[in-house]
Amino acid sequence: QSVLTQPPSVSAAPGQKVTISCSGSSSNIGNNYVSWYQQLPGTAPKLLIYENNMRPSGIPDRFSGSKSGTSATLGITGLQTGDEADYYCGTWDSSLSAVVFGGGTKLTVL
Amino acid sequence: EVQLVESGGGLVQPGRSLRLSCAASGLTLDDFALHWVRQAPGKGLEWVSSISWNSGSVGYADSVQGRFTISRDNAKNSLYLQMNSLRAEDTALYYCAKDRSPHYGGHGLVYWGQGTLVTVSS
Repeated sequence: QSVLTQPPSVSAAPGQKVTISCSGSSSNIGNNYVSWYQQLPGTAPKLLIYENNMRPSGIPDRFSGSKSGTSATLGITGLQTGDEADYYCGTWDSSLSAVVFGGGTKLTVL
Repeated sequence: EVQLVESGGGLVQPGRSLRLSCAASGLTLDDFALHWVRQAPGKGLEWVSSISWNSGSVGYADSVQGRFTISRDNAKNSLYLQMNSLRAEDTALYYCAKDRSPHYGGHGLVYWGQGTLVTVSS
């Protein structure tokens, strides 16, 4: 059971937009930065979003992040088949003194 | 090319030990916190341990506390994980990752290695 809750799967058609939610509590998302990671099949995770809504260099602006209260959201616009991957949210949990991840969301681009 | 390369994984019997290493090339690690994150086959990401830039702070998941020890050698641009009393549930792909910050705490893991597989089985 993950500390952060994500939907197991989402799907959308190419060119459409999708959002992935990440729900936590005041000890993690509520008071700490959220990051998002993309894990393509058979590869290592890749940082997509840090500090709630910042993109590392090289990450297209089709990817966006937001946070409100104890929840965070990853948005992906202009979906491509190459976006099919597992997506994880992550943050620090001040009560646990631990890095925590969501259980992951599998994105299918139909 | 920026690379983190893990090594030291393999098949080990329950109760035995293993030491993982992570070497960096194309980037320096000494100003940043470092992490070990694992992923059991077909499962999600699980944080294992973190260490601050100067080794002043370390943290462990409850599942490995007292059995695993994280360390780093900034002169060698390397990170290590000593794993003792291994259990079947420690079987996973172990990734090392570099933080964006000198101190771990949710700033984002910006570089990841490709992982080294640890299998604990008799």
